[in-house]
Amino acid sequence: GAGVSQSPSNKVTEKGKDVELRCDPISGHTALYWYRQSLGQGLEFLIYFQGNSAPDKSGLPSDRFSAERTGGSVSTLTIQRTQQEDSAVYLCASSPGQLSSYEQYFGPGTRLTVT
Amino acid sequence: GDSVTQMEGPVTLSEEAFLTINCTYTATGYPSLFWYVQYPGEGLQLLLKATKADDKGSNKGFEATYRKETTSFHLEKGSVQVSDSAVYFCALEDTGRRALTFGSGTRLQVQP
Repeated sequence: GAGVSQSPSNKVTEKGKDVELRCDPISGHTALYWYRQSLGQGLEFLIYFQGNSAPDKSGLPSDRFSAERTGGSVSTLTIQRTQQEDSAVYLCASSPGQLSSYEQYFGPGTRLTVT
Repeated sequence: GDSVTQMEGPVTLSEEAFLTINCTYTATGYPSLFWYVQYPGEGLQLLLKATKADDKGSNKGFEATYRKETTSFHLEKGSVQVSDSAVYFCALEDTGRRALTFGSGTRLQVQP
């Protein structure tokens, strides 16, 4: 079946502009995760959704970052007033959310470049 | 807090050589452990996992054993192929958390 999809695949934006990144999880997966992959910091967790609620937002680096999930499906990560250090690949993952199932399936990522 | 330490790369091997990529971890609970692989131009894929001490995960000829006494989860393969060239990430998911904590990744280059 279809995997996790993300859009856009690439985004170039000017410093100070807002950006929205979209994630479509695998159908039926209740858990959704956002991660960031950058040269300096490696792979970092940002936020986790179970259904539409976010029990763990501990990885969001600043209040410029926010995320929402609607209908237990699509999620949007918003970065306001982008800075050059926000340049990274933003990865989304989903999982069935069952206690016995730990595998997270990753999307291809959105490469964000802030100029 | 939780952390994962991997050997630095790149690791360069000839085809059919034996591979070991070291991974050690620090966690407050009883984590599940994973190896993810990222092939050139592709997304992260789960390679193998182990959810409790002494479990061995295996897939595609790769193996890793969850060693609680040494807090390690080293990745091994007996005979690597050129197609194994990729970046390998060790990761853990700690008890009560759903977030993965990743190591820094190890790039493997296999030469024919």
